Amino acid sequence: KNEVEQSPQNLTAQEGEFITINCSYSVGISALHWLQQHPGGGIVSLFMLSSGKKKHGRLIATINIQEKHSSLHITASHPRDSAVYICAVRHPVGNLIFGKGTKLSVKP
Amino acid sequence: NAGVTQTPKFQVLKTGQSMTLQCAQDMNHNSMYWYRQDPGMGLRLIYYSASEGTTDKGEVPNGYNVSRLNKREFSLRLESAAPSQTSVYFCASSVLDNSNQPQHFGDGTRLSIL
Repeated sequence: KNEVEQSPQNLTAQEGEFITINCSYSVGISALHWLQQHPGGGIVSLFMLSSGKKKHGRLIATINIQEKHSSLHITASHPRDSAVYICAVRHPVGNLIFGKGTKLSVKP
Repeated sequence: NAGVTQTPKFQVLKTGQSMTLQCAQDMNHNSMYWYRQDPGMGLRLIYYSASEGTTDKGEVPNGYNVSRLNKREFSLRLESAAPSQTSVYFCASSVLDNSNQPQHFGDGTRLSIL
């Protein structure tokens, strides 16, 4: 069983829709990261969470430590949000463990 | 501000050839990392350097060597390339090697081994 599971694997949405991407993990962690991989391949860090909720523009990330679950929400989605979104967790002692990613396509 | 720069961006090798992937960061970060990304799998850590002068194995180190040349540069060497090493390689850096720091990634090197 993968330590980091993301769902869905693929997601197609219409412009303007509210989008949710989920991440579940099976180990105790010190932090969870959300990253965005552009169609050209570049990877950008979006959020780091250890508790609660963070917001940046139209992106919102939440984490529930007890349930070992995090969600990434995109409000008012736009075609430029099309990318692969990657969840990664950090053990208290250890390196980042990455999920396989969720490929999002937003149609105009 | 260039961030993390990887060279080359693309490379095709024959089985058994050797090559070095270069990575440099201009953010004065202490920690640097090499990952590989394969279809259907998450990023996997090959080697990392928590600070200048130190290197450690990650999840998939076999077939690779690294050198932390100075604080800015961290290179990845394939001594005898194998088709299984066909992948996209990413270098990353962070201020410190801990969970509170984001990692900044280069644009990747697409490596094909025939």
